Amino acid sequence: QSVLTQPPSVSGAPGQRVTISCTGSSSNIGAGYDVHWYQQLPGTAPRLLIFGNNNRSSGVPDRFSGSKSDTSASLAISGLQVEDETDYYCQSYDTNLGLYVFGTGTKVT
Amino acid sequence: QVTLKESGPALVKLTQTLTLTCTFSGFSLKTPGRRVTWIRQPPGRALEWLARIDWDGDKFYSTSLKTRLTISKDTSKSQVVLTLTNVDPADTATYYCARLRVVGKAYFFDYWGQGARVTVSS
Repeated sequence: QSVLTQPPSVSGAPGQRVTISCTGSSSNIGAGYDVHWYQQLPGTAPRLLIFGNNNRSSGVPDRFSGSKSDTSASLAISGLQVEDETDYYCQSYDTNLGLYVFGTGTKVT
Repeated sequence: QVTLKESGPALVKLTQTLTLTCTFSGFSLKTPGRRVTWIRQPPGRALEWLARIDWDGDKFYSTSLKTRLTISKDTSKSQVVLTLTNVDPADTATYYCARLRVVGKAYFFDYWGQGARVTVSS
């Protein structure tokens, strides 16, 4: 029931730059609600990576960056490292549903 | 240091009621602006927000599960409790409690518990 769509997977070589898209609609991202990103290592809880579209959470390396435009958002990872290989989720708020919505998730390999 | 930890049964029988407790530290639900939520993740699937309770007692629920969910708090124990009635196999998931932060139009979960894995069996 995710209303935010992400690509199932993206891949890149160490050192490369990858981007993950998060596509929403006029009732969530397009309504002006901020987008946030979480990193989830296998078997662990999600960890806040980016909040408020482009603000890195404490301790997050500056090779992670976020952006938002119209009804979509993106997470970019530059200088890809082996430890970045895991799952990433975007999240926002949907005014039609009246609840917090997550993306479908993207596995970075 | 903010921490949250979920506790509850690992196995629940079909049609029974699931009760999960979130015990937190590092903040108080008496403080204005503090909010705690529950989120779940079925195996191999995406995250799904379930419920929220605020410092002033306000409660909010997922529209699809509203009739089956109840969230409550015990401020003196720093605990938030979630109950889910009439469980079925689709409720098998890892259940997380998380603190919700609200800044303008930004609603995000800044601290998460480790998760409680729950399996619904027949």
